[in-house]
Amino acid sequence: GQNIDQPTEMTATEGAIVQINCTYQTSGFNGLFWYQQHAGEAPTFLSYNVLDGLEEKGRFSSFLSRSKGYSYLLLKELQMKDSASYLCAASNDYKLSFGAGTTVTVRA
Amino acid sequence: SAVISQKPSRDICQRGTSLTIQCQVDSQVTMMFWYRQQPGQSLTLIATANQGSEATYESGFVIDKFPISRPNLTFSTLTVSNMSPEDSSIYLCSVRGSTYEQYFGPGTRLTVT
Repeated sequence: GQNIDQPTEMTATEGAIVQINCTYQTSGFNGLFWYQQHAGEAPTFLSYNVLDGLEEKGRFSSFLSRSKGYSYLLLKELQMKDSASYLCAASNDYKLSFGAGTTVTVRA
Repeated sequence: SAVISQKPSRDICQRGTSLTIQCQVDSQVTMMFWYRQQPGQSLTLIATANQGSEATYESGFVIDKFPISRPNLTFSTLTVSNMSPEDSSIYLCSVRGSTYEQYFGPGTRLTVT
């Protein structure tokens, strides 16, 4: 089975940094995805990690530790438009098991 | 990235009826999937749409309720059969192309009354 855990909500100030943690326990694993989802919209691909370490892509970075079953998404220089739900998903043969999502609220 | 379209974008249906949702991709993709997102919840995989063969369903989902077709590498349909209010949800098509990235279509918002 799949068990994906991430915090329900986080609040941060514009310009700040927020780190969203995700732990996973899966029967098979070939990568960890992060998606952003604004209310009423489809998820948008942010990142994919298959090897341990940090992947940086502009203001967003994602980290993976396979031995610990742990990942995080780091959002830097927060902007108001970053207010959204962030979904962690573990891949097993490219079938994704999603966490419940973390709602990030950015305040001025 | 692949451009994915879904039809219809939303619909309101009566219980007991069926709705077929279409997913069209602008390029050939290796894998296509159907997900469901119930109100206030995260996404759940329904099935993998296999080209030229029967779909592979996840636990809790069956072919009689959610028949799926994938006649080629750019198109798939999902039918929600004999609908009940519990089927009210957003249904999303997802694709994986030649790279590891997976993308989602805009979704079909279904309300069953």
